[in-house]
Amino acid sequence: EADIYQTPRYLVIGTGKKITLECSQTMGHDKMYWYQQDPGMELHLIHYSYGVNSTEKGDLSSESTVSRIRTEHFPLTLESARPSHTSQYLCASSELTSHFLDTEAFFGQGTRLTVV
Amino acid sequence: KNQVEQSPQSLIILEGKNCTLQCNYTVSPFSNLRWYKQDTGRGPVSLTIMTFSENTKSNGRYTATLDADTKQSSLHITASQLSDSASYICVVSDRGSTLGRLYFGRGTQLTVWP
Repeated sequence: EADIYQTPRYLVIGTGKKITLECSQTMGHDKMYWYQQDPGMELHLIHYSYGVNSTEKGDLSSESTVSRIRTEHFPLTLESARPSHTSQYLCASSELTSHFLDTEAFFGQGTRLTVV
Repeated sequence: KNQVEQSPQSLIILEGKNCTLQCNYTVSPFSNLRWYKQDTGRGPVSLTIMTFSENTKSNGRYTATLDADTKQSSLHITASQLSDSASYICVVSDRGSTLGRLYFGRGTQLTVWP
């Protein structure tokens, strides 16, 4: 069972509010990711990190920001939420090995965000 | 353009029956292919991961196959159960970047009826 946790699971918030989605993992993984997923659609990478103090933007343009001050923690922040931000946000982590590519990616349960 | 296409988009079967889900990809250079199960409102959970040299891999009632030449994979579910109702996502990783970028299909929504 994966030890990666997201909070909150569900969030309904008004337009213009600042929100932070939390993601924590206890597996000691260096690589962490944030994905956005709309119903019936594929996951889109919005942010990723190779380790502490490393953050990069993904494929999908996003108005969110992330930080990686500690290995186990990778929060995502929206400074001013809009209805277009309504979606499911999934956090994931994996090991960083010299081979990079064959490590398992573990996902959190997701945060369902609704901006009204 | 790297893409992952899954079929069918949705599938309904009766409990106890078998089914096969398909995944075609154009990701290159190829690294590995994974099948995930995603229950409604939850994060994906890994079922199998296969590298270029592997043709088949099983995980209980789930058997995945990979044909790297034709860039096709299938996930076969045997003796389906009600708990198999979920979205099954095919994910392909490339070797073209240090990230090992993951490309996601849209998933096949499987519903198992009693």
